[in-house]
Amino acid sequence: ELKVEQNPLFLSMQEGKNYTIYCNYSTTSDRLYWYRQDPGKSLESLFVLLSNGAVKQEGRLMASLDTKARLSTLHITAAVHDLSATYFCAVGVLYNFNKFYFGSGTKLNVKP
Amino acid sequence: GAGVSQTPSNKVTEKGKYVELRCDPISGHTALYWYRQSLGQGPEFLIYFQGTGAADDSGLPNDRFFAVRPEGSVSTLKIQRTERGDSAVYLCASSLMGDGYTEAFFGQGTRLTVV
Repeated sequence: ELKVEQNPLFLSMQEGKNYTIYCNYSTTSDRLYWYRQDPGKSLESLFVLLSNGAVKQEGRLMASLDTKARLSTLHITAAVHDLSATYFCAVGVLYNFNKFYFGSGTKLNVKP
Repeated sequence: GAGVSQTPSNKVTEKGKYVELRCDPISGHTALYWYRQSLGQGPEFLIYFQGTGAADDSGLPNDRFFAVRPEGSVSTLKIQRTERGDSAVYLCASSLMGDGYTEAFFGQGTRLTVV
């Protein structure tokens, strides 16, 4: 079974700082998704990464995928309070991409 | 509608009862997924439909759980003889095509509490 590990699980940071969330997975895949979840809400799609070396950016968030290292990163630049949420990575199973395995999530708190 | 719609948003039931959870996917989306999310955890895969058929039901925990999508649109997740361990948020998602290239859009979920 594919295992997905995120770290850190909790992250408290000041506004204006930079930080990176890591997502490691255990078997071959080139389908990696990042989602955001606000408390009591559903998951909002942030990024879809579909190949080795893929990099996508939206505002203060940038996601990348290294399929050889089985690693994806979500980099936060100059954090603002509105980014406070839980961030999940999800990995698509090779040859069965409709079965996503999610990490446990990283709960981000950006302090004003 | 504009997004994935799930009803009810909350359901409290007694242990041993039967429940049905409904999902209305985004119009035109052929792929539909059910996930279950326990408190503080990431969602866990339950079942995936492509059209009317269950293409992968390997995540259903046991035979008390069953899901249908008879006309390739609305789906119902059915849980028989509910147990307290079934308490969780049940999330439905849909995507345009079940190819892994297109993102899945999630509904707001149904919070199921078994007492």
